Amino acid sequence: DQQVKQNSPSLSVQEGRISILNCDYTNSMFDYFLWYKKYPAEGPTFLISISSIKDKNEDGRFTVFLNKSAKHLSLHIVPSQPGDSAVYFCAASQGYQKVTFGTGTKLQVIP
Amino acid sequence: GAVVSQHPSWVICKSGTSVKIECRSLDFQATTMFWYRQFPKQSLMLMATSNEGSKATYEQGVEKDKFLINHASLTLSTLTVTSAHPEDSSFYICSAGQNLYEQYFGPGTRLTVT
Repeated sequence: DQQVKQNSPSLSVQEGRISILNCDYTNSMFDYFLWYKKYPAEGPTFLISISSIKDKNEDGRFTVFLNKSAKHLSLHIVPSQPGDSAVYFCAASQGYQKVTFGTGTKLQVIP
Repeated sequence: GAVVSQHPSWVICKSGTSVKIECRSLDFQATTMFWYRQFPKQSLMLMATSNEGSKATYEQGVEKDKFLINHASLTLSTLTVTSAHPEDSSFYICSAGQNLYEQYFGPGTRLTVT
């Protein structure tokens, strides 16, 4: 049962444009959401998070939007840079319990 | 940021043998470490939570007698895959951190069982 889904396995974006990575979840009890970035041969690194009491969190070029009614969150990267090319994982947690990951979306930013 | 290392990064073993994977927090102490497994094109799946000085907590469906976890110190947790079979071939990754939402991940270990 995949509770966190990233339906787009890959995404290509031109440098300078906006990258939008999407994530859907099925468990309405999730109350904390995280995005991780992973480069080849490295472990995932934390990027940004959002609590369910918020609908937006911004950190520099990265913004996460949460739509609880749709059980959907998205990560916006503006402007996209070649160094942003990586696999992005969406993750969710319920009540400070384990973190459940999505399958990842591979982002390629084309110079 | 904090660094978590794993050793080995890649291991090939024969079916029926055991393999030990180490996870170390290099510049911080971790009372809790997490072990994940990732099959191709699938998500990271939590296998177990490793607690320093006590027994690990395994997720449903994970055989604790097959995947032995030892967390003997605040900087080291080991995962031993016993009597490995080809279906155990996967990418194993650990994480450690001060809290659940601030986890630092190791680079992972690719296990191939022939």
